[in-house]
Amino acid sequence: AQSVTQLDSQVPVFEEAPVELRCNYSSSVSVYLFWYVQYPNQGLQLLLKYLSGSTLVKGINGFEAEFNKSQTSFHLRKPSVHISDTAEYFCAVTTTNAGKSTFGDGTTLTVKP
Amino acid sequence: EAQVTQNPRYLITVTGKKLTVTCSQNMNHEYMSWYRQDPGLGLRQIYYSMNVEVTDKGDVPEGYKVSRKEKRNFPLILESPSPNQTSLYFCASSLRWRETQYFGPGTRLLVL
Repeated sequence: AQSVTQLDSQVPVFEEAPVELRCNYSSSVSVYLFWYVQYPNQGLQLLLKYLSGSTLVKGINGFEAEFNKSQTSFHLRKPSVHISDTAEYFCAVTTTNAGKSTFGDGTTLTVKP
Repeated sequence: EAQVTQNPRYLITVTGKKLTVTCSQNMNHEYMSWYRQDPGLGLRQIYYSMNVEVTDKGDVPEGYKVSRKEKRNFPLILESPSPNQTSLYFCASSLRWRETQYFGPGTRLLVL
């Protein structure tokens, strides 16, 4: 069984400030890790993913995440946020031996002017 | 245009009346999946399909059925809907199960 915990349900920040959205996971098998973003009234789209290799992953819109195997974490960061980054962010894992996907409960990022 | 389509986008129904939500992708993807999204609960996987004729349960399969007779289609069937199935449903597909999932626009279902 696997689970994903997003440690903050809501994160308010001011424009141009840095932000970190935290994600921890647990799994009895190896997993692939993903961050998705959902803008209001839209479906989800991929921000970035970790399959293997370098633990620092860069994604779209200036986001990056670091895979930490010992801490089973995959935190998402951006050095300077914009108003347009206001959205809900989901961390997800997929097992490496099957197609089962588990998503976290989501973190609502609100960027204020 | 490469996309995942779902129909209908909005549906109001009554308890016990069978319904089907269709999902179709035009990207020749092997993997397809259904999720439901509820406030505070994130997305929960209902069923997934690794390829044609191969389906498996996700975390919340009770009350749902799926079939994968063709690569492009993956309908979600609610044989006897109940109010606790009121939710926002997303279909997704990916080239293979470990790749990026592409999501449809969602189907908002209300069961009275």
